Amino acid sequence: GENVEQHPSTLSVQEGDSAVIKCTYSDSASNYFPWYKQELGKGPQLIIDIRSNVGEKKDQRIAVTLNKTAKHFSLHITETQPEDSAVYFCAASQTALIFGKGTTLSVSS
Amino acid sequence: SQTIHQWPATLVQPVGSPLSLECTVEGTSNPNLYWYRQAAGRGLQLLFYSVGIGQISSEVPQNLSASRPQDRQFILSSKKLLLSDSGFYLCAWSVGYVAGVDTGELFFGEGSRLTVL
Repeated sequence: GENVEQHPSTLSVQEGDSAVIKCTYSDSASNYFPWYKQELGKGPQLIIDIRSNVGEKKDQRIAVTLNKTAKHFSLHITETQPEDSAVYFCAASQTALIFGKGTTLSVSS
Repeated sequence: SQTIHQWPATLVQPVGSPLSLECTVEGTSNPNLYWYRQAAGRGLQLLFYSVGIGQISSEVPQNLSASRPQDRQFILSSKKLLLSDSGFYLCAWSVGYVAGVDTGELFFGEGSRLTVL
């Protein structure tokens, strides 16, 4: 089955800096790669996703890149703000979503 | 609009006791339903998913079970809890396939925090 590895497990940045989180997946049949943000005590929420026929997707300060040959995808957050502090999960799917272990992002002002 | 309800929000149970967590979805029909567990340092682990009434797929062998007695109801159960069952349990739903394409997005409930003592 699918296995998703996510790095780093924790990331601390200064407000205004960029943050990058990377994930690799094992199943070449996976074709959907979302990113979720989880705030304390709440369920995760989708922030951006990409499908296997697209290499890059951007939504304001958030972008995701996908390299199907290398089986890795990344989340890029520019101009980070304190409210970006949360746990971020990547996932890969052909049928049901398999998630990475999460990255705790801390943005200090 | 669609909503997902999950209860109870918190639960403290002794080892060996039974468990029942319930999840219902409103405002949609024939959703895909999921149970995930979130334990410290282990991310979101898929436990069960269901594409229809009575159809349950298990991803991880364990002492938990799931049932879908109605279209928009998903129940997570155990006959005898273990200490290792402690964690944050999340129910989720998705639209599933629309026009041959898996829309993908999962909508999560607020979670149920289970502590087994």
